[in-house]
Amino acid sequence: GAVVSQHPSRVICKSGTSVKIECRSLDFQATTMFWYRQFPKQSLMLMATSNEGSKATYEQGVEKDKFLINHASLTLSTLTVTSAHPEDSSFYICSARVQCTGNTISFGEGSWLTVV
Amino acid sequence: KQEVTQIPAALSVPEGENLVLNCSFTDSAIYNLQWFRQDPGKGLTSLLLIQSSQREQTSGRLNASLDKSSGRSTLYIAASQPGDSATYLCAVSKDRGSTLGRLYFGRGTQLTVWP
Repeated sequence: GAVVSQHPSRVICKSGTSVKIECRSLDFQATTMFWYRQFPKQSLMLMATSNEGSKATYEQGVEKDKFLINHASLTLSTLTVTSAHPEDSSFYICSARVQCTGNTISFGEGSWLTVV
Repeated sequence: KQEVTQIPAALSVPEGENLVLNCSFTDSAIYNLQWFRQDPGKGLTSLLLIQSSQREQTSGRLNASLDKSSGRSTLYIAASQPGDSATYLCAVSKDRGSTLGRLYFGRGTQLTVWP
């Protein structure tokens, strides 16, 4: 139980285009989801906290107009990287808080973004 | 701000050795601490979760301890195997309330176990 599915697992896009990454909770409702980014050899850094039905809360230094987060339902949060640049190439991973299991955290499989 | 440090950054050992991975955090007011495994190009697999009121957790050959007051945790791997090769991440959850579930990660320890 408490499975989080993330899609796509890998994506290559051209510089200047936008890419959408989806994070779905398959068998539970997630009012809160978290988006992280991990550069090579670095730790996972929280980008934003996504709350269903309200605006996301972004961490300091993360451009909210560049990284658009939408959490329109209790099972889906999306991260859209707008006008992607090569420096946005990274590993993006989402997680969801599972309230029915005592607030444990389930992670998606992650998405590798390469901007060329 | 919560900062998480993991030592060593990398570890290479022969099969069968018992290992200790270290994690320290700057703010002892944590809700829980979690150890994850990350295989190359993959997501995260949760290994052990220790609540702030607990001192240790065990799962198979893995044992994690927590000393909240000193801001330290160790992950002990007994009788290591080549299949244990991965990056091990330590993460703490500091917040309660609406941001519960937000994790602060260390950079990880890259473990290689050779036959």
